[in-house]
Amino acid sequence: GDSVTQMEGPVTLSEEAFLTINCTYTATGYPSLFWYVQYPGEGLQLLLKATKADDKGSNKGFEATYRKETTSFHLEKGSVQVSDSAVYFCALPASGGSYIPTFGRGTSLIVHP
Amino acid sequence: GAGVSQSPSNKVTEKGKDVELRCDPISGHTALYWYRQSLGQGLEFLIYFQGNSAPDKSGLPSDRFSAERTGGSVSTLTIQRTQQEDSAVYLCASSVGTGFDEQFFGPGTRLTVL
Repeated sequence: GDSVTQMEGPVTLSEEAFLTINCTYTATGYPSLFWYVQYPGEGLQLLLKATKADDKGSNKGFEATYRKETTSFHLEKGSVQVSDSAVYFCALPASGGSYIPTFGRGTSLIVHP
Repeated sequence: GAGVSQSPSNKVTEKGKDVELRCDPISGHTALYWYRQSLGQGLEFLIYFQGNSAPDKSGLPSDRFSAERTGGSVSTLTIQRTQQEDSAVYLCASSVGTGFDEQFFGPGTRLTVL
């Protein structure tokens, strides 16, 4: 079945540092790929997505490129802010006969001033 | 427009009591999902609805858990005879289609069983 593997957290950075959160996936075919973000005390919200290979999703300074060759969708940001502190989830939509999306375990990001 | 809402936002109950958690999805969204998020853990799928029917209940942890959806809109997750291990944040999400599209999440209900 489909699966998503994310790097373990927490990731702790100083403000203005460069961020990478790794995500690799196993799936049938070439699904869309999502990054969701969960701020403290809130539900998840879509951060960005890519619908086909080599697509780059971007939002709020975050970027991720759909790499078919390496089955990866790493999240990056050039300069993080304290307000980026949250939990980030990489996800696959449902596929085949399943109607259940696949979420990674989440990576906590802590940004210090 | 309004997003997904959940109530209550917090619920503290005693072991053995029943609780009901409510989810109001975005109007027009036919798919509705319930997830559980334990402290520091990822998302655990519980159940999903397509319209008012629940084709997949495989994620419900035990027969103490049940859910229903009426009018293709509001859903209620019921936990009977709550146990301390039921303590978690319960998240509801809705989407236009069933699982293939972006999901819109509510803020969650934090359940604490004493």
